[in-house]
Amino acid sequence: QQQVKQSPQSLIVQKGGISIINCAYENTAFDYFPWYQQFPGKGPALLIAIRPDVSEKKEGRFTISFNKSAKQFSLHIMDSQPGDSATYFCAASRDTGRRALTFGSGTRLQVQP
Amino acid sequence: SAVISQKPSRDICQRGTSLTIQCQVDSQVTMMFWYRQQPGQSLTLIATANQGSEATYESGFVIDKFPISRPNLTFSTLTVSNMSPEDSSIYLCSGRQGIDTQYFGPGTRLTVL
Repeated sequence: QQQVKQSPQSLIVQKGGISIINCAYENTAFDYFPWYQQFPGKGPALLIAIRPDVSEKKEGRFTISFNKSAKQFSLHIMDSQPGDSATYFCAASRDTGRRALTFGSGTRLQVQP
Repeated sequence: SAVISQKPSRDICQRGTSLTIQCQVDSQVTMMFWYRQQPGQSLTLIATANQGSEATYESGFVIDKFPISRPNLTFSTLTVSNMSPEDSSIYLCSGRQGIDTQYFGPGTRLTVL
C-alpha cells in the first residue's frame, strides 16, 4: 500500500522556470513532511521540511506548500537551474513511534539550459 | 547536521555469500535506519537499528536474511546473507537527530552475480 503518492514521475523545465512536484498522503497520523534531493550515485540529501501547523515554508528558491485538509503538499523550485537536475523525493513520518520515513516514488527533474 | 559514511561504497559478490555493510555517523543520533533502493526507484525501509537490542524489521524483511547490529550511538552494520541476484540494490544507512531530521549515507551499491 503506497501511503505517499508523488507526481509527476519526470519533469522537464527550462532554466529560470518554476518546477512543481506534488505529493498526497493517506495516513492522517503523518505530521512531518520532508523533501529530499538525490543526485546520481549519492544518498538523498534533506532539502526542506514542513509540519502541518503551517501552510507554507520557504528556504531560498525552495518552497513547500501544505494543504492539510486535502492531505497534499508540494515542492516549488523557483528560478530552476541546471544544477537542480536531480531526483526529488517527498516523504512523511508518523507522530509516534520510530518516526521512520515513508517515501514517495520520486520525480526526476531535468532543467534545460 | 550529521555526516554519515558507509563502507564499502560498492561491491560485487557471488551468489550464496554474505556481505556486511558498515555505517558510521560523525555525531550521536537518536535512531538509525537501513533502507534499500533499486536504481531509479524509491527507498524502502528494511529495519530500524536499535542500540543494544534486536533490530525492528519491516514487513518482508527478516533477521536471518538481514542481521543488523548497533553497538553504540554512532555505528551500525547490516549484513546481507546468502545473497541472490535479487539482492542487488543500493543499501542506505540513515540517522535521525532530534525529533525528525534524518540524514542519509552515500549508499552501498551491491551487485550479486
